[in-house]
Amino acid sequence: QQPVQSPQAVILREGEDAVINCSSSKALYSVHWYRQKHGEAPVFLMILLKGGEQMRHEKISASFNEKKQQSSLYLTASQLSYSGTYFCGTEVPFGNEKLTFGTGTRLTIIP
Amino acid sequence: GAGVSQTPSNKVTEKGKYVELRCDPISGHTALYWYRQSLGQGPEFLIYFQGTGAADDSGLPNDRFFAVRPEGSVSTLKIQRTERGDSAVYLCASSRGTGELFFGEGSRLTVL
Repeated sequence: QQPVQSPQAVILREGEDAVINCSSSKALYSVHWYRQKHGEAPVFLMILLKGGEQMRHEKISASFNEKKQQSSLYLTASQLSYSGTYFCGTEVPFGNEKLTFGTGTRLTIIP
Repeated sequence: GAGVSQTPSNKVTEKGKYVELRCDPISGHTALYWYRQSLGQGPEFLIYFQGTGAADDSGLPNDRFFAVRPEGSVSTLKIQRTERGDSAVYLCASSRGTGELFFGEGSRLTVL
């Protein structure tokens, strides 16, 4: 089953914060976050492992709640360059990095 | 080039035709993945190679789809008797085993 992401879309003014959530019905080994700009390849942001720490990439951080099989991506002081569609990808134990991606959250940053 | 290269970038074909899509991964990456992405959706797993062998092909939708990686580097995704529902962007990714997938820009397939 595909992980569920929320919200589906969000519009922010530059400098505002946002949270994107990813929820799975399966027991997970890891959660991966990618950002994809229109017409481009998805680009890796970070991985959160079961039992691991909260991760950070520039002003973007993420957490993984193993009990709830949920991950959240936190974007603080958003920049224009953060615009794009964010996908979480979930991996089950012994999954060989095979990811099941969510439907994505489209983030638009306006000046 | 340093990234994952996919060719062709665009392919338009007629229903029923045969199509091959090529992926050239980052040098030294032993793992290679094919995903398919429809408009407005997240990438959908098709097949995973570790070296030359297909370690997991559970995402291939039916037997019209086949992929090879004969020398453990370049991979070809082959689609027989294409259908309109096969239209999508086919993404290839490679990995060095750290968990990070490096995606190519994809091959956009349109079946008329």
